[in-house]
Amino acid sequence: GIQVEQSPPDLILQEGANSTLRCNFSDSVNNLQWFHQNPWGQLINLFYIPSGTKQNGRLSATTVATERYSLLYISSSQTTDSGVYFCAVLKADRGSTLGRLYFGRGTQLTVWP
Amino acid sequence: SQTIHQWPATLVQPVGSPLSLECTVEGTSNPNLYWYRQAAGRGLQLLFYSVGIGQISSEVPQNLSASRPQDRQFILSSKKLLLSDSGFYLCAWRAGRGGQYFGPGTRLTVL
Repeated sequence: GIQVEQSPPDLILQEGANSTLRCNFSDSVNNLQWFHQNPWGQLINLFYIPSGTKQNGRLSATTVATERYSLLYISSSQTTDSGVYFCAVLKADRGSTLGRLYFGRGTQLTVWP
Repeated sequence: SQTIHQWPATLVQPVGSPLSLECTVEGTSNPNLYWYRQAAGRGLQLLFYSVGIGQISSEVPQNLSASRPQDRQFILSSKKLLLSDSGFYLCAWRAGRGGQYFGPGTRLTVL
């Protein structure tokens, strides 16, 4: 299977700070998603980003598929940004919609007031 | 819009008891459906996936089984729970090669 590595594993920030989370993957992929797992366990979709850059409010993501990495930027962090951020890549079988997501182990973000 | 439901939200069961967790999806047809387990320590483990009614693929042989009796219903079962079955169980759906979406999860504690 595909190896997905996320860094850093843990990140502690003061409210208002900016941060960059990184996701490296070991093979070409069909798609890449970023998720935020909130304290109740819910996995929230942040970005669906096979390549290029997308922005949503204070969050943005960039995927460079040819170099097999993606970055998630969080600006002006807030305490509600705390939680675990997961990167997951999709590898689909050729000519099929069947495929599975390969997850990284996540980055635990803690934002202090 | 599509929604995904899981129940129960929490469950405490004795060792050796049976298990049935249910997941239903609304607002889409013929989705790919997935069961994941997240143990302490963050990692998500894919347990089962299904591309259609009655079609189940297992990723990891273990004490659990899955069934898909209807297009938008996915059930995770066990005949006899083990302590090691404790964890957070997440159901997910995906249509085609689009994004994957997760349900709210079931927190299972086996005592």
